Amino acid sequence: AQSVSQHNHHVILSEAASLELGCNYSYGGTVNLFWYVQYPGQHLQLLLKYFSGDPLVKGIKGFEAEFIKSKFSFNLRKPSVQWSDTAEYFCAVYDNDMRFGAGTRLTVKP
Amino acid sequence: DTGVSQDPRHKITKRGQNVTFRCDPISEHNRLYWYRQTLGQGPEFLTYFQNEAQLEKSRLLSDRFSAERPKGSFSTLEIQRTEQGDSAMYLCASSSTGTSGRSRTGELFFGEGSRLTVL
Repeated sequence: AQSVSQHNHHVILSEAASLELGCNYSYGGTVNLFWYVQYPGQHLQLLLKYFSGDPLVKGIKGFEAEFIKSKFSFNLRKPSVQWSDTAEYFCAVYDNDMRFGAGTRLTVKP
Repeated sequence: DTGVSQDPRHKITKRGQNVTFRCDPISEHNRLYWYRQTLGQGPEFLTYFQNEAQLEKSRLLSDRFSAERPKGSFSTLEIQRTEQGDSAMYLCASSSTGTSGRSRTGELFFGEGSRLTVL
């Protein structure tokens, strides 16, 4: 079965700093890749997704992610974070069911 | 609200008791998933249904856990003889699939979750 690794457990940034969260998956076939976000006290919400085509995908709130097949990676980026981006971010891979990484907690200091 | 709904939102029980959680998916979704999430961890896959058929179960799902989706709509997750280690957030999600049986998008829509505390 596929698995997902997120390298950063907790990231602390100041507002306006750039963000990159790492995600690697282990699966050799065609996969669908996702980033979900969980704001404090809220349910998981889709941030962005990749199925095929342009490896650079754009999601909500200025987030983007790049699929690099040769590196089995799908890193999440945002050029300038805001305090409201404080949340838990989960990378996920879908083949026949969805498997999640352990998550990265992002704290943005005002 | 036509999203995924879960009930109860929070359940506190004593060790050894049985608990049951209910999930109502988005009405047109034929796939329903159960996950468990503990503090500081990502959602761990438990099981999923396509319509009323339970297609996959994780090794995490011990004999004390049983899930049903009798009419292909709502689902229940029952935990028998609860243990303190069962304390977690139980998440339900739903999605739609194409005629081939594989999800068109794979995108899951999550409910708010049911938090279980076993004393």
